[in-house]
Amino acid sequence: QQQVKQSPQSLIVQKGGISIINCAYENTAFDYFPWYQQFPGKGPALLIAIRPDVSEKKEGRFTISFNKSAKQFSLHIMDSQPGDSATYFCAAGGPGKSTFGDGTTLTVKP
Amino acid sequence: EADIYQTPRYLVIGTGKKITLECSQTMGHDKMYWYQQDPGMELHLIHYSYGVNSTEKGDLSSESTVSRIRTEHFPLTLESARPSHTSQYLCASSEGVGARVGGQPQHFGDGTRLSIL
Repeated sequence: QQQVKQSPQSLIVQKGGISIINCAYENTAFDYFPWYQQFPGKGPALLIAIRPDVSEKKEGRFTISFNKSAKQFSLHIMDSQPGDSATYFCAAGGPGKSTFGDGTTLTVKP
Repeated sequence: EADIYQTPRYLVIGTGKKITLECSQTMGHDKMYWYQQDPGMELHLIHYSYGVNSTEKGDLSSESTVSRIRTEHFPLTLESARPSHTSQYLCASSEGVGARVGGQPQHFGDGTRLSIL
């Protein structure tokens, strides 16, 4: 049973555009919703995270929008750059281990 | 800056060999994890630990075993490697004592790329 569903699987955006990746979760016990960025040959690295007591968190060009009632959250990358090309994973965590989405491969074309 | 180290980075070895993948962290984290990941694909949790002498199997069945004798060290062992074990193995750690602490960020190593001939 997949507890975190991520979409789309792949995304191509022009430089300067907005990249949007969505995730939906099932378990209401989750209390931590991070996004990780992974470049080839590297492990995933924490990009930005949110807890369910807020609906939005912004760090530079990266924003998480969180909808508790819909059990959905999304990553928005404003002014996307070729250097943002990577695989992005959402996750949901709580007591115990985290559950990861299947990943989105983002390609930003110059 | 997270400090978690995996060795070796790359390993090419023949079928039937015993392999140990090393993972060490210097952050004093209680929780540690092993994931299996084909390049660019989803992460599959194969083992995790909440502290010394605590190990659990993850969501994906694996023929590997782990041990946690020291907080900072979480090695993964394959007793007899097979071509089906070819993959990338990622180690991670996070804060928190026991299973009741809320979600925390995971800090990942750069992985071991394993190829079994």
